[in-house]
Amino acid sequence: GQNIDQPTEMTATEGAIVQINCTYQTSGFNGLFWYQQHAGEAPTFLSYNVLDGLEEKGRFSSFLSRSKGYSYLLLKELQMKDSASYLCATANAGNNRKLIWGLGTSLAVNP
Amino acid sequence: DADVTQTPRNRITKTGKRIMLECSQTKGHDRMYWYRQDPGLGLRLIYYSFDVKDINKGEISDGYSVSRQAQAKFSLSLESAIPNQTALYFCATSDKQGALKEAQHFGDGTRLSIL
Repeated sequence: GQNIDQPTEMTATEGAIVQINCTYQTSGFNGLFWYQQHAGEAPTFLSYNVLDGLEEKGRFSSFLSRSKGYSYLLLKELQMKDSASYLCATANAGNNRKLIWGLGTSLAVNP
Repeated sequence: DADVTQTPRNRITKTGKRIMLECSQTKGHDRMYWYRQDPGLGLRLIYYSFDVKDINKGEISDGYSVSRQAQAKFSLSLESAIPNQTALYFCATSDKQGALKEAQHFGDGTRLSIL
Protein backbone atom coordinates (compact mmCIF):
# COMPACT_ATOMS: atom_id res chain seq x y z
CA GLY A 1 0.00 0.00 0.00
CA GLN A 2 0.89 3.65 0.00
CA ASN A 3 1.05 5.74 3.14
CA ILE A 4 2.49 9.03 4.32
CA ASP A 5 2.96 10.02 7.96
CA GLN A 6 3.74 13.43 9.37
CA PRO A 7 3.17 14.96 12.79
CA THR A 8 -0.17 16.69 13.16
CA GLU A 9 1.04 19.80 14.97
CA MET A 10 4.28 21.51 15.92
CA THR A 11 5.12 24.68 17.79
CA ALA A 12 8.29 26.75 17.52
CA THR A 13 9.62 30.16 18.46
CA GLU A 14 10.33 33.06 16.14
CA GLY A 15 13.97 33.04 15.05
CA ALA A 16 14.46 29.36 15.84
CA ILE A 17 14.91 26.31 13.59
CA VAL A 18 12.27 23.63 13.15
CA GLN A 19 12.38 20.26 11.39
CA ILE A 20 9.19 18.70 10.06
CA ASN A 21 9.48 14.99 9.35
CA CYS A 22 7.68 12.87 6.78
CA THR A 23 7.86 9.11 6.40
CA TYR A 24 6.38 7.28 3.46
CA GLN A 25 5.72 3.81 2.13
CA THR A 26 5.21 3.56 -1.57
CA SER A 27 6.03 1.56 -4.66
CA GLY A 28 7.58 3.12 -7.73
CA PHE A 29 8.82 6.19 -5.89
CA ASN A 30 9.38 9.12 -8.23
CA GLY A 31 10.07 12.04 -5.94
CA LEU A 32 8.78 13.86 -2.87
CA PHE A 33 7.23 17.30 -2.70
CA TRP A 34 6.76 19.75 0.14
CA TYR A 35 3.99 22.35 0.01
CA GLN A 36 3.07 25.21 2.31
CA GLN A 37 -0.57 26.07 2.95
CA HIS A 38 -1.75 29.04 4.97
CA ALA A 39 -5.17 28.70 6.53
CA GLY A 40 -7.93 29.02 3.93
CA GLU A 41 -5.46 29.47 1.09
CA ALA A 42 -4.09 27.31 -1.71
CA PRO A 43 -1.12 24.99 -1.19
CA THR A 44 2.04 26.43 -2.74
CA PHE A 45 5.03 24.43 -3.93
CA LEU A 46 8.15 24.61 -1.73
CA SER A 47 10.55 21.87 -2.79
CA TYR A 48 11.10 18.64 -4.66
CA ASN A 49 13.57 15.83 -3.90
CA VAL A 50 14.13 12.75 -6.01
CA LEU A 51 17.74 11.90 -5.07
CA ASP A 52 19.12 11.36 -1.59
CA GLY A 53 20.50 14.38 0.16
CA LEU A 54 19.76 17.93 1.12
CA GLU A 55 18.33 20.60 -1.15
CA GLU A 56 18.69 24.13 0.18
CA LYS A 57 16.56 27.05 -0.92
CA GLY A 58 16.99 30.16 1.21
CA ARG A 59 15.61 29.63 4.71
CA PHE A 60 14.03 26.32 3.69
CA SER A 61 15.84 23.04 3.08
CA SER A 62 14.49 19.59 2.28
CA PHE A 63 16.18 16.26 2.84
CA LEU A 64 15.46 12.83 1.40
CA SER A 65 16.58 9.30 2.25
CA ARG A 66 15.02 6.85 -0.18
CA SER A 67 16.35 3.78 1.61
CA LYS A 68 14.64 4.89 4.83
CA GLY A 69 11.48 6.27 3.21
CA TYR A 70 12.11 9.50 5.05
CA SER A 71 12.17 13.20 4.35
CA TYR A 72 12.29 16.35 6.39
CA LEU A 73 11.68 20.02 5.79
CA LEU A 74 13.98 22.35 7.73
CA LEU A 75 12.91 25.91 8.34
CA LYS A 76 15.55 28.33 9.65
CA GLU A 77 15.21 31.80 11.17
CA LEU A 78 11.53 31.25 11.70
CA GLN A 79 9.19 34.14 11.08
CA MET A 80 5.60 34.60 12.16
CA LYS A 81 4.48 34.27 8.55
CA ASP A 82 5.83 30.71 8.53
CA SER A 83 2.83 29.69 10.64
CA ALA A 84 1.05 27.39 8.20
CA SER A 85 0.38 23.77 7.36
CA TYR A 86 3.19 21.89 5.61
CA LEU A 87 2.15 19.08 3.30
CA CYS A 88 4.34 16.19 2.22
CA ALA A 89 3.40 14.40 -1.03
CA THR A 90 5.00 11.60 -3.02
CA ALA A 91 4.96 11.08 -6.76
CA ASN A 92 4.69 7.48 -7.87
CA ALA A 93 5.85 6.39 -11.28
CA GLY A 94 3.36 3.56 -11.42
CA ASN A 95 0.31 5.50 -10.29
CA ASN A 96 -0.58 7.58 -13.32
CA ARG A 97 1.41 10.46 -11.94
CA LYS A 98 -1.04 11.22 -9.14
CA LEU A 99 0.41 12.65 -5.97
CA ILE A 100 -0.15 10.87 -2.67
CA TRP A 101 -0.70 13.48 0.04
CA GLY A 102 0.03 13.45 3.73
CA LEU A 103 -2.45 15.12 6.08
CA GLY A 104 -0.10 18.00 6.77
CA THR A 105 1.73 19.37 9.80
CA SER A 106 0.29 22.53 11.32
CA LEU A 107 3.17 24.74 12.48
CA ALA A 108 2.56 27.56 14.94
CA VAL A 109 5.35 30.11 15.28
CA ASN A 110 5.16 32.04 18.54
CA PRO A 111 6.87 35.34 19.34
CA ASP B 1 -3.77 37.53 -13.14
CA ALA B 2 -3.78 34.17 -11.42
CA ASP B 3 -2.46 31.23 -13.45
CA VAL B 4 -5.21 28.93 -12.12
CA THR B 5 -8.57 30.62 -11.59
CA GLN B 6 -11.51 29.12 -9.78
CA THR B 7 -15.04 30.47 -9.83
CA PRO B 8 -16.95 31.08 -7.70
CA ARG B 9 -14.71 31.69 -4.68
CA ASN B 10 -17.56 31.17 -2.26
CA ARG B 11 -20.95 29.56 -2.66
CA ILE B 12 -23.78 28.83 -0.30
CA THR B 13 -26.59 26.68 -1.61
CA LYS B 14 -29.31 24.27 -0.53
CA THR B 15 -29.51 20.51 -0.47
CA GLY B 16 -30.59 19.05 -3.80
CA LYS B 17 -29.35 21.90 -5.97
CA ARG B 18 -27.08 21.35 -8.94
CA ILE B 19 -23.79 23.22 -8.64
CA MET B 20 -20.95 23.76 -11.06
CA LEU B 21 -17.47 24.88 -10.07
CA GLU B 22 -15.26 26.21 -12.83
CA CYS B 23 -11.52 26.10 -13.22
CA SER B 24 -9.47 27.75 -15.94
CA GLN B 25 -5.70 27.94 -16.36
CA THR B 26 -3.24 29.95 -18.42
CA LYS B 27 -0.22 27.75 -17.67
CA GLY B 28 -0.63 25.59 -20.76
CA HIS B 29 -0.61 22.45 -18.63
CA ASP B 30 -2.17 19.25 -19.90
CA ARG B 31 -3.12 17.80 -16.52
CA MET B 32 -5.86 19.10 -14.28
CA TYR B 33 -7.21 17.89 -10.94
CA TRP B 34 -10.08 18.52 -8.57
CA TYR B 35 -9.59 18.04 -4.82
CA ARG B 36 -11.65 18.64 -1.75
CA GLN B 37 -10.14 19.49 1.60
CA ASP B 38 -11.80 18.87 4.92
CA PRO B 39 -10.33 19.52 8.38
CA GLY B 40 -8.39 16.48 9.55
CA LEU B 41 -8.79 14.65 6.24
CA GLY B 42 -6.28 16.47 4.06
CA LEU B 43 -6.52 16.80 0.29
CA ARG B 44 -8.61 14.11 -1.37
CA LEU B 45 -8.64 13.65 -5.13
CA ILE B 46 -12.09 13.72 -6.75
CA TYR B 47 -11.31 13.53 -10.48
CA TYR B 48 -8.36 14.18 -12.74
CA SER B 49 -7.76 14.66 -16.44
CA PHE B 50 -4.58 14.26 -18.44
CA ASP B 51 -5.92 15.70 -21.69
CA VAL B 52 -9.03 17.07 -23.32
CA LYS B 53 -11.88 14.53 -23.04
CA ASP B 54 -9.77 12.34 -20.71
CA ILE B 55 -11.54 11.75 -17.37
CA ASN B 56 -10.35 9.61 -14.47
CA LYS B 57 -11.93 8.95 -11.10
CA GLY B 58 -10.06 9.79 -7.95
CA GLU B 59 -10.60 8.36 -4.50
CA ILE B 60 -13.92 10.10 -3.79
CA SER B 61 -15.75 10.58 -7.09
CA ASP B 62 -19.24 9.49 -5.99
CA GLY B 63 -21.71 12.36 -6.19
CA TYR B 64 -19.49 14.38 -8.52
CA SER B 65 -18.93 14.65 -12.26
CA VAL B 66 -16.46 16.60 -14.38
CA SER B 67 -16.05 17.92 -17.88
CA ARG B 68 -12.87 18.71 -19.82
CA GLN B 69 -13.90 20.22 -23.14
CA ALA B 70 -10.80 22.37 -23.58
CA GLN B 71 -7.21 22.19 -22.41
CA ALA B 72 -7.58 25.27 -20.26
CA LYS B 73 -10.87 24.40 -18.55
CA PHE B 74 -11.97 21.70 -16.13
CA SER B 75 -15.36 21.96 -14.46
CA LEU B 76 -16.70 20.05 -11.47
CA SER B 77 -20.42 19.42 -10.98
CA LEU B 78 -22.42 18.31 -8.00
CA GLU B 79 -25.61 16.98 -9.54
CA SER B 80 -27.65 17.02 -6.33
CA ALA B 81 -25.73 18.65 -3.50
CA ILE B 82 -25.82 17.20 0.01
CA PRO B 83 -24.54 18.74 3.25
CA ASN B 84 -21.53 16.42 3.58
CA GLN B 85 -20.18 17.92 0.35
CA THR B 86 -19.56 21.12 2.27
CA ALA B 87 -15.81 21.63 1.92
CA LEU B 88 -13.02 23.69 0.42
CA TYR B 89 -12.50 22.67 -3.21
CA PHE B 90 -9.26 23.12 -5.09
CA CYS B 91 -8.40 22.83 -8.75
CA ALA B 92 -4.78 22.08 -9.64
CA THR B 93 -2.72 21.70 -12.80
CA SER B 94 0.57 20.06 -13.70
CA ASP B 95 2.76 19.54 -16.72
CA LYS B 96 3.36 16.09 -18.16
CA GLN B 97 7.06 15.91 -18.85
CA GLY B 98 9.62 15.30 -16.15
CA ALA B 99 9.07 14.47 -12.51
CA LEU B 100 9.63 17.99 -11.18
CA LYS B 101 7.07 19.27 -13.61
CA GLU B 102 4.58 17.02 -11.88
CA ALA B 103 4.49 19.67 -9.16
CA GLN B 104 0.89 20.74 -8.97
CA HIS B 105 -0.18 24.36 -9.05
CA PHE B 106 -3.35 25.22 -7.21
CA GLY B 107 -6.14 27.69 -7.67
CA ASP B 108 -7.28 29.82 -4.72
CA GLY B 109 -10.09 27.43 -3.87
CA THR B 110 -13.88 27.50 -3.71
CA ARG B 111 -15.50 27.44 -0.29
CA LEU B 112 -18.77 25.57 -0.74
CA SER B 113 -21.46 25.38 1.93
CA ILE B 114 -24.54 23.23 1.47
CA LEU B 115 -27.40 23.86 3.86
